[in-house]
Amino acid sequence: EAQVTQNPRYLITVTGKKLTVTCSQNMNHEYMSWYRQDPGLGLRQIYYSMNVEVTDKGDVPEGYKVSRKEKRNFPLILESPSPNQTSLYFCASSLSGVNGYTFGSGTRLTVV
Amino acid sequence: QKEVEQNSGPLSVPEGAIASLNCTYSDRGSQSFFWYRQYSGKSPELIMSIYSNGDKEDGRFTAQLNKASQYVSLLIRDSQPSDSATYLCASMNRDDKIIFGKGTRLHILP
Repeated sequence: EAQVTQNPRYLITVTGKKLTVTCSQNMNHEYMSWYRQDPGLGLRQIYYSMNVEVTDKGDVPEGYKVSRKEKRNFPLILESPSPNQTSLYFCASSLSGVNGYTFGSGTRLTVV
Repeated sequence: QKEVEQNSGPLSVPEGAIASLNCTYSDRGSQSFFWYRQYSGKSPELIMSIYSNGDKEDGRFTAQLNKASQYVSLLIRDSQPSDSATYLCASMNRDDKIIFGKGTRLHILP
C-alpha cells in the first residue's frame, strides 16, 4: 500500500531532551515536507526537500533540523525541544509538488 | 508574508444541497492550487487540484480558479453527512513552497 509512515504517533518528552520523528514513504516521491498544525494557526511548513541532500526552510524552521540522505526517509530532529514545540506534526510527500502531497498519520508531540 | 485566506466557519449546509467553500491567495506567482479535506483527528487528504483558470470537476466536487481575482473555490454537490470536515485550501508558488489556509469547517445537516 502506498503510504507515508511516521513514528511515533504519540510522544511525551521533557524540555531539552533530543528527539527524532521518523518519516518514510514508499512511493518513490521526490518531494517531502514537514508541517506542524496548531489550533488557530493551521498547517505551517517547517522544512521541505525536493530531492536527496536538498532541503529548504519553510515558515517555521527555528528549533528543528532535517536531513534527506535517502529518497524515502526524511526525519525531523528536535535538538532541544521546548514546550512551544508541543504540536501535531505531519510528514508529507509528493511526486513533484504540483501533484499535491500525501500526508502521514501525524505525530502528536507534547513537551513538558 | 504570502497568505491563503479562508473563512473559518462553521458553514452549515442541509444534506443534499450544494456546499460552497471559498479561498483567496495573495501571491500572484502561485501556480497550483489544492483542496484538502481533514476529518477531526486525522491527516489532510487531497481531494482536488487545479492549475488553470476555470472549472475542474471530479464526481460531486468542482474546483474553480480565477487567477485575475486570486480566488479559488470548491463546490460540493449533493452534500452528505460524510462531507462534514474541515476543508483546507493551499497554493504552491514558483519555489514549490506550499502555503495552507487555516481551513473552513463544514457541517452537513441531516
